[in-house]
Formats: sequence, structure tokens, C-alpha cells
Amino acid sequence: KQEVTQIPAALSVPEGENLVLNCSFTDSAIYNLQWFRQDPGKGLTSLLLIQSSQREQTSGRLNASLDKSSGRSTLYIAASQPGDSATYLCAVGSSASKIIFGSGTRLSIRP
Amino acid sequence: EPEVTQTPSHQVTQMGQEVILRCVPISNHLYFYWYRQILGQKVEFLVSFYNNEISEKSEIFDDQFSVERPDGSNFTLKIRSTKLEDSAMYFCASISSPAATGELFFGEGSRLTVL
Repeated sequence: KQEVTQIPAALSVPEGENLVLNCSFTDSAIYNLQWFRQDPGKGLTSLLLIQSSQREQTSGRLNASLDKSSGRSTLYIAASQPGDSATYLCAVGSSASKIIFGSGTRLSIRP
Repeated sequence: EPEVTQTPSHQVTQMGQEVILRCVPISNHLYFYWYRQILGQKVEFLVSFYNNEISEKSEIFDDQFSVERPDGSNFTLKIRSTKLEDSAMYFCASISSPAATGELFFGEGSRLTVL
């Protein structure tokens, strides 16, 4: 049974810092991995999608990497801004029809 | 930009009542999902739906739950007899690819409050 873990559960850093969020999964036989952002009381916004054959994806200040063999993904945020404050979720496509979420990292960027 | 739309945004109901949550997935998408998120907790998979039938469901998705695609656009989640613990945000999502290699798009959610 696929399990997805995100550490840390919460993170607070000063504005301008680069930071890394971690996601690990127990079953390496995945289709893809997707990173989402969730603002309080809102839906989930897709940030980056990495297919199982890819090692990384980049969008603006965000870079996501995938190491299937070790069951890990990281989301790197460069030059953090207060507007980056949100909960970040990773989701693993563990079968053709099932996508499992981690519990998220609540990120706070201090001005 | 195409989006997943959900109605209602918030529903309050009495315990034991039936509730139907509605979703309009992105029009060319093929796989549809329902997830729920209890306040302060993780996003939990409920069910996936493809080619007019349930593809996979979780242990949460018991006999009280059902899904339907009554026409070419709507995708509904029905809870037959709501319990207090059904109070949560329910999210609909869709993917364009049948092999689930595509990007998952979410609606804004329907908040269900059971009294």
C-alpha cells in the first residue's frame, strides 16, 4: 500500500531564503508525482508534474526533482516571498486511477 | 483557462439527510475523482471514475457513497445518510489522460457541514 510522507509538517523562514520541501513514498512503482499548493480554505493548485521517466521539472522559482529508486521528491523554492506562504502537498500517481497525497508542509515566509 | 467547477460551495445538512455534491470536470478529460479533506487533515482519496464506471475506491467509500455521471458534463457524489464525521471539504478533480499520467486539476471544493 502506497504511503506518502512530507517532512517537515511546518516551516517558517525569512523572506529571500531558498528552501527545500521533502516528499517520500514507500512504493517506487509510480506513474508520476505532482506538487500542489493549497491556500487556507481553498482548492489545490497544481505547481509541477514530474512523470516517472523524468528527473526534474522547473517553473519559474520552483524546481521539483524525483528519485524513484529512493522514493523521494523535493520541491526547491528560490528567493522565497511572503506570497509563497501556503501549504504544499505532494501527490503520487500510484496506479492508473489512484493518486495519493502526503499530509503537506505548511510554509510561512516572514517579511 | 478550463477549470473544474463544483456546486454548492457550502452545504449545511442535518444528520441522516441525503446530500448530492456536483462537479463539472474539464470537458476533454477522461478520469474523474472525488477527494475529501477533513478540517486540518490530509487530502484523502475517495474514488476514481473512468468510462462510466468506478475505477478504484478507498475504504472510506462505503455503501453510503455513490458516484454518477448522469449526462455528458456532470459528475456527482451522493452521500445517502450523512453522519457527523462526513463534515469535510469535498474536492472533485479530473485528468485528461486515461493512464493517469496527466496533470490533475481540482475544483475549489464543496464544504459539507453535518449537524
